[in-house]
Amino acid sequence: DSGVTQTPKHLITATGQRVTLRCSPRSGDLSVYWYQQSLDQGLQFLIQYYNGEERAKGNILERFSAQQFPDLHSELNLSSLELGDSALYFCASSVDWGGNEQFFGPGTRLTVL
Amino acid sequence: GESVGLHLPTLSVQEGDNSIINCAYSNSASDYFIWYKQESGKGPQFIIDIRSNMDKRQGQRVTVLLNKTVKHLSLQIAATQPGDSAVYFCAENIRAGTGGFKTIFGAGTRLFVKA
Repeated sequence: DSGVTQTPKHLITATGQRVTLRCSPRSGDLSVYWYQQSLDQGLQFLIQYYNGEERAKGNILERFSAQQFPDLHSELNLSSLELGDSALYFCASSVDWGGNEQFFGPGTRLTVL
Repeated sequence: GESVGLHLPTLSVQEGDNSIINCAYSNSASDYFIWYKQESGKGPQFIIDIRSNMDKRQGQRVTVLLNKTVKHLSLQIAATQPGDSAVYFCAENIRAGTGGFKTIFGAGTRLFVKA
């Protein structure tokens, strides 16, 4: 158990819909990262937050957005969902902004029908 | 562009043998290189990292070698055990954004350990 929690574990929705994925980092970790893992694209970095502020962005679609709240939990919002958004979404956390040793949550499996 | 790739997608080794997983990278601006292990149904798990100004770093049963001349990274696992069966990813941390880092993962190598 990494100490990072993600909810929900599974999510099934329809195209065009909007969903919110939630992540609670390990106690004491200030950085949160979001990743998308699909069979054809592998593990793709989406975005990093540190102590509530966005620090780095990957190839995150404009339909996707995230935020980190004062209690350090984070949410990833995915809107206007497409079939191709079906994937595993992982959240990870680290103590500082450097991010070498990231602790990953169990992931949320999103299925868009 | 930025990319981290792997030479071998699948590696099968006998229990007790040493395993070597290889990785090629293309970005010379990385500060750190990292190895993660992902077991079925779980999130990736950190194994070891190496700073870009180092050539070798050892951990418990694992050694990472970095050859910057040919942009090559390898993970050596000594006395491989059945519990080592997983997908192994190399990754690189690159400074990005406002004082942040983005982690670029390779495609992954699946390691099978035969009993």
